[in-house]
Amino acid sequence: AQTVTQSQPEMSVQEAETVTLSCTYDTSESDYYLFWYKQPPSRQMILVIRQEAYKQQNATENRFSVNFQKAAKSFSLKISDSQLGDAAMYFCAYRSARSGGSNYKLTFGKGTLLTVNP
Amino acid sequence: DGGITQSPKYLFRKEGQNVTLSCEQNLNHDAMYWYRQDPGQGLRLIYYSQIVNDFQKGDIAEGYSVSREKKESFPLTVTSAQKNPTAFYLCASSWGMNTGELFFGEGSRLTVL
Repeated sequence: AQTVTQSQPEMSVQEAETVTLSCTYDTSESDYYLFWYKQPPSRQMILVIRQEAYKQQNATENRFSVNFQKAAKSFSLKISDSQLGDAAMYFCAYRSARSGGSNYKLTFGKGTLLTVNP
Repeated sequence: DGGITQSPKYLFRKEGQNVTLSCEQNLNHDAMYWYRQDPGQGLRLIYYSQIVNDFQKGDIAEGYSVSREKKESFPLTVTSAQKNPTAFYLCASSWGMNTGELFFGEGSRLTVL
């Protein structure tokens, strides 16, 4: 079974600075998806960024970018120019690209609580 | 606006009572999911459904039941057999089972008194 590990329960960053959240995963598959979701105090989960394992290029969405290291099974999220609105719980998630049965589910890490200091 | 609506947002229940959480989506998504969130535990999958009239157990299905009679609706019943039901419950949906991305509702907080 796949597992996702976020080793940093909490992180803090100064406004306008850069922070990197870590995520590692364990899988025997070669094709899969990786995601970062944000859960603000409102508690609604919002997709931040996604990465397909077959793509070598790291995904980028405005101030958010990832460092995807497939061999190391590492998927870190970098937030540049941090803003107060970035304060939230961040979850890393894995999904198999295979079809059928439980392959469709997302497996989540336990989350990293990010605090942004003004 | 398209989205996922969960109700109620807050629910209190006495021990021994069943309670049903509603999840409705107007995104025309085929697949729907229920996750449970506990502090420090991340999200754990309870049940999922790929199509109408079909659903599968997730990792922690004991004490829960679901139905999928309509494409738009995927209600979750927390039964009295669930030993620790106090939690935050999240419903999600996706286009099919091949796109990966899940869209989430705002969640329902269940507290057992």
